[in-house]
Amino acid sequence: AQTVTQSQPEMSVQEAETVTLSCTYDTSENNYYLFWYKQPPSRQMILVIRQEAYKQQNATENRFSVNFQKAAKSFSLKISDSQLGDTAMYFCAFMKHEGGGADGLTFGKGTHLIIQP
Amino acid sequence: ETGVTQTPRHLVMGMTNKKSLKCEQHLGHNAMYWYKQSAKKPLELMFVYSLEERVENNSVPSRFSPECPNSSHLFLHLHTLQPEDSALYLCASSQELVETQYFGPGTRLLVL
Repeated sequence: AQTVTQSQPEMSVQEAETVTLSCTYDTSENNYYLFWYKQPPSRQMILVIRQEAYKQQNATENRFSVNFQKAAKSFSLKISDSQLGDTAMYFCAFMKHEGGGADGLTFGKGTHLIIQP
Repeated sequence: ETGVTQTPRHLVMGMTNKKSLKCEQHLGHNAMYWYKQSAKKPLELMFVYSLEERVENNSVPSRFSPECPNSSHLFLHLHTLQPEDSALYLCASSQELVETQYFGPGTRLLVL
């Protein structure tokens, strides 16, 4: 079974600052996918970024980028030039490739990110 | 409508009621999922459907009964629930089982 750990229950930064959210995971799988989802107060779960484990290059989506360290089983999310609209719960999630969807996503407990004006 | 929609958005029910949650995806996906999000617990997978066939049932109590009549619709039938079943129920869909899942806005359920 897989586990996902987010060790920061809450973080607060000033608008325009850069913030990094931590995520570690435990698995015996070699092929898998990692995700960051954002859940704002509306409770809508929104995909932020996806990383395939076989890719060495870190995924990037505009102001969002990841630092994927496969050997260390670490998958952190960096948000640059943070904006008020980035205030949300951020969830790290894991899905194995082999029959992965059948097991769904394994989520961490989330980090509540607050962007201060 | 686009994406994944869920109705109702809010539901209050007594323990003896029967109600159903509905999910519809407009993305042409082949797989659909139900997740439960309780306070202070990680999201939990409940059911998975691929091409309208159930592929996973994560030891969910029988008072929750899923139904997938076609690849665009997914239902969660609720019967004699307990107060601890109060939670946000999220539906998701993906193109295939190993593809990225896209979520609906959820149904916030309160069982009295």
